[in-house]
Amino acid sequence: QLVLTQSPSASASLGASVKVTCTLSNGPTSYAIAWHQQQPGKGPRYLMKLNSDGRYKKGDGIPDRFSGSSSGAERYLTISRLQSEDEADYYCQSWGAGIQVFGGGTKLTVL
Amino acid sequence: EVQLVESGGGLVQPGGSLRLSCAASGFTFSDHYMDWVRQAPGKGLEWVGLIKNKGNTYTTDYAASVKGRFTISRDDSKKSLYLQMNSLKTEDTAVYYCTREQLVSPNAFDIWGQGTTVTVSS
Repeated sequence: QLVLTQSPSASASLGASVKVTCTLSNGPTSYAIAWHQQQPGKGPRYLMKLNSDGRYKKGDGIPDRFSGSSSGAERYLTISRLQSEDEADYYCQSWGAGIQVFGGGTKLTVL
Repeated sequence: EVQLVESGGGLVQPGGSLRLSCAASGFTFSDHYMDWVRQAPGKGLEWVGLIKNKGNTYTTDYAASVKGRFTISRDDSKKSLYLQMNSLKTEDTAVYYCTREQLVSPNAFDIWGQGTTVTVSS
């Protein structure tokens, strides 16, 4: 069964860039994923769908500062020009026939 | 506006039952697979289960942790999704989110509700 692995935490300074990683295992590395953001005390929000070839499509209203990329079994979320409101938990999600899977989440701290 | 609004959460004793509802608006509800996702206090997101659309005979699938205890259903005429939870355990305590899968499923969740809190405690 597909497993998605994320580092528990990441940090970067205000105005800098950060890359959050989701690693696919126990399944084809050709899987697409989605990235979701969960700000403190709020429900999750869909950010983008990211394909294995690095193409991505963002949800409505997601700023240009958010982008995605892929390399092999790795899927990345890059946030540029970090703002205080980007401090949140970030989850990757993937899917198969009759199942949905989440990574454990990455807590991003903006310093 | 595309929106999902959950309701029905509350406090229930272990072994009890609860039914959650999710009202959809702003999109063609009947076209989409719909899912439930939960988040225990201080934990990550956990997929609970899904229900397919009419074209796929409203087939359901569930996570192993809830299979046999939870039942997902939908009423396309009311644009509503339901989660019937029986034989509740303390570990079912969580915020429960209704989500929409993008067309064509299986696919990413692109719309989330605000969540409804279920507390299982004596």
